[in-house]
Amino acid sequence: GNSVTQMEGPVTLSEEAFLTINCTYTATGYPSLFWYVQYPGEGLQLLLKATKADDKGSNKGFEATYRKETTSFHLEKGSVQVSDSAVYFCALKYQAGTALIFGKGTTLSVSS
Amino acid sequence: GAVVSQHPSWVICKSGTSVKIECRSLDFQATTMFWYRQFPKQSLMLMATSNEGSKATYEQGVEKDKFLINHASLTLSTLTVTSAHPEDSSFYICSAISQAGGINEQFFGPGTRLTVL
Repeated sequence: GNSVTQMEGPVTLSEEAFLTINCTYTATGYPSLFWYVQYPGEGLQLLLKATKADDKGSNKGFEATYRKETTSFHLEKGSVQVSDSAVYFCALKYQAGTALIFGKGTTLSVSS
Repeated sequence: GAVVSQHPSWVICKSGTSVKIECRSLDFQATTMFWYRQFPKQSLMLMATSNEGSKATYEQGVEKDKFLINHASLTLSTLTVTSAHPEDSSFYICSAISQAGGINEQFFGPGTRLTVL
């Protein structure tokens, strides 16, 4: 079945450090891929997405590239800020109108 | 962006009682809503898909008689945890699909923390 595996956290970084959160997926066909962020006390928010192979999603300095050959969608940011501290979820959707399937989430903590 | 609300944000109840959680799409109509359950340090697990005007579709292993879902209007879905027990304590999150402007995107509520004593 369809599933998402992302790196275990927590990830602790200093401000301006480089961030990578790994995400790989298992799916039949060609799913759409997403990264969601959950700030403390808030609901999940879409951070970025990619709908086909080699697409790059980007937002707020974060980016991720849909790699079909490695079934990966790693999240990266060149210089993290304290305000980026949150839980990040990788997710896939097999087709429009169906529910998202999530990874376990990775907690990021950035200190100044 | 579209807003999804949940009420209550947290609830504490005694074992054996029933608890109703509401999920509302505030500025869009949603024919489809989803209910997830999140355990500490774990992923969101899909419980059921709620379709307006029809019966919900439950995921394997989810008891439909225990987790009653009603999607009576295009802006409201409710999840009722019947005869709650401590093992039902969890974080329940709903989401709704907005198809406004041709964009098919899933928006999430802030979640409801249920604690069963």
